[in-house]
Amino acid sequence: EAQVTQNPRYLITVTGKKLTVTCSQNMNHEYMSWYRQDPGLGLRQIYYSMNVEVTDKGDVPEGYKVSRKEKRNFPLILESPSPNQTSLYFCASSEQGLRPQHFGDGTRLSIL
Amino acid sequence: AQKVTQAQTEISVVEKEDVTLDCVYETRDTTYYLFWYKQPPSGELVFLIRRNSFDEQNEISGRYSWNFQKSTSSFNFTITASQVVDSAVYFCALMNTGFQKLVFGTGTRLLVSP
Repeated sequence: EAQVTQNPRYLITVTGKKLTVTCSQNMNHEYMSWYRQDPGLGLRQIYYSMNVEVTDKGDVPEGYKVSRKEKRNFPLILESPSPNQTSLYFCASSEQGLRPQHFGDGTRLSIL
Repeated sequence: AQKVTQAQTEISVVEKEDVTLDCVYETRDTTYYLFWYKQPPSGELVFLIRRNSFDEQNEISGRYSWNFQKSTSSFNFTITASQVVDSAVYFCALMNTGFQKLVFGTGTRLLVSP
């Protein structure tokens, strides 16, 4: 089954404690992306990747890092999380950026 | 800069009513793509449609239809004979071919009551 898998689905943590949200897709897609969803703001793109070792900033990259060492994985790293990063996060992938993106089920992060 | 505006924050209708969700976009580029996604209460994002800037034909898929008008920079979504299962947040999004970034509107919450 074609899918984008995010882990964890839920996480409550404290300010400053490094965390990683993993994202994996089994469709051999080149394009992957991270979004955060906040009430009243819709979804905003954090980072995207056109292919292995190719990443670029989206609209809200501050406080986040990503890496794309393998085609299937695109982890989102919060080196020093802060409460303003409390949000619902989605990972997505597509064959190329213009194709419809397949979204993961979301990760709800709470930073206390 | 790209921007998508969904001015309707929330719409409430009674089952079987028709409802139109508005989407207005801004871009300086001539080549771009527009998308609609549905987010039901369970939270996942479901792709509904993609339209490129050179294709202004309206599209119909069952009870769903989309009206794309470049002259007014709008890509509106109509649900005919709404059903309770249509209750969700609907997002319009824009992608510019040059930047590969997908910009979402703030979403419209549709509540369909029986």
